[in-house]
Amino acid sequence: ELKVEQNPLFLSMQEGKNYTIYCNYSTTSDRLYWYRQDPGKSLESLFVLLSNGAVKQEGRLMASLDTKARLSTLHITAAVHDLSATYFCAVIYNTDKLIFGTGTRLQVFP
Amino acid sequence: DVKVTQSSRYLVKRTGEKVFLECVQDMDHENMFWYRQDPGLGLRLIYFSYDVKMKEKGDIPEGYSVSREKKERFSLILESASTNQTSMYLCASSPLRRTGGGEKLFFGSGTQLSVL
Repeated sequence: ELKVEQNPLFLSMQEGKNYTIYCNYSTTSDRLYWYRQDPGKSLESLFVLLSNGAVKQEGRLMASLDTKARLSTLHITAAVHDLSATYFCAVIYNTDKLIFGTGTRLQVFP
Repeated sequence: DVKVTQSSRYLVKRTGEKVFLECVQDMDHENMFWYRQDPGLGLRLIYFSYDVKMKEKGDIPEGYSVSREKKERFSLILESASTNQTSMYLCASSPLRRTGGGEKLFFGSGTQLSVL
């Protein structure tokens, strides 16, 4: 059974600072997703990572994947308040099942 | 744009009631999913379906059943609602991976169910 763990669960950071969210998963998978959820809203897709060493960037967010270590990171550069949200990683399992991590709630304050 | 529509945004039911949560997608996707979201637990897969009349159990199927009579519609059924089923329920859809899909899931806006 695939398990997906994220840490930290909660992150409070100051504007302008950098930080990294970690996503570990327990069995082999060939694709990993990052989603964002704003309070009271549904999930919005951020990145899909398809291979070992994949790196994708959009704005102040950069995601990477190391399939050998079964680890993905979501790096936040020079955080701004608009990035406050909950971030989920999710891993494909058994062809089409998508298993989610517990989520990281990010708060960015001035 | 892909649209996944869940019939109710908020729902309040009593213990023991039979509850139907409906989800419709308009992009001819093969895969449809039901998740529940609880604070600190992330999203947990209840059931998914990869074709009409096909279903597979997710991680927490107990107390739930599903129905997929048409490709665009996937229903989640709580046979006898209990208070521990109070949660946010999210429906999602995606194309099949072998057809080049599976790139991402498209989510509905969610149904917040309260069972009293």
